[in-house]
Amino acid sequence: DAKTTQPTSMDCAEGRAANLPCNHSTISGNEYVYWYRQIHSQGPQYIIHGLKNNETNEMASLIITEDRKSSTLILPHATLRDTAVYYCIVRVPGNQGGKLIFGQGTELSVKP
Amino acid sequence: GAVVSQHPSWVICKSGTSVKIECRSLDFQATTMFWYRQFPKQSLMLMATSNEGSKATYEQGVEKDKFLINHASLTLSTLTVTSAHPEDSSFYICSARWGGSYNEQFFGPGTRLTVL
Repeated sequence: DAKTTQPTSMDCAEGRAANLPCNHSTISGNEYVYWYRQIHSQGPQYIIHGLKNNETNEMASLIITEDRKSSTLILPHATLRDTAVYYCIVRVPGNQGGKLIFGQGTELSVKP
Repeated sequence: GAVVSQHPSWVICKSGTSVKIECRSLDFQATTMFWYRQFPKQSLMLMATSNEGSKATYEQGVEKDKFLINHASLTLSTLTVTSAHPEDSSFYICSARWGGSYNEQFFGPGTRLTVL
């Protein structure tokens, strides 16, 4: 399994960009990188995923290094509602497309 | 995104009783459903994966006779915690995905189980 390493916690000022790093040095060529977040006592919310190209949607941007050993999730203008635990996950291959195994994530605190 | 619901959102039961938690995909057909458990201050732990009409595949260390999973239709999966004990108190979260291997996986809001 390709495991991920994330900082335990990060702070970000409201209105500024939040850059959340993730290392996945053992990722295989066909494994995607997924980002989810979990606000306290709720189910995880999908943010974005990618294989090797950078991706952008209405929530965030995902920058994946050329060697695919690390990635960065960017929240361009963080708000207080973005305070959550952010999980970087490499999808485990298997029958029916594999499963998502969660690591410890990064606890992002957006401060006024 | 697609919607996954869970019922109940919270439940309190006595030790020794069984509790059933329902997970429904409301606007898509879930070919694969997952059940996770989360203890306070910890990450989500995958318990099992189920495909519609098939037996669930349990992760190592998860007792299949204690956590009964049924995925009888493309929109419904149930988790039954049998003979619940206080150590089973946790936040149970289901997740669902349709079709292709790398489609998005959507999560329910979770069910808080407290066993007295």
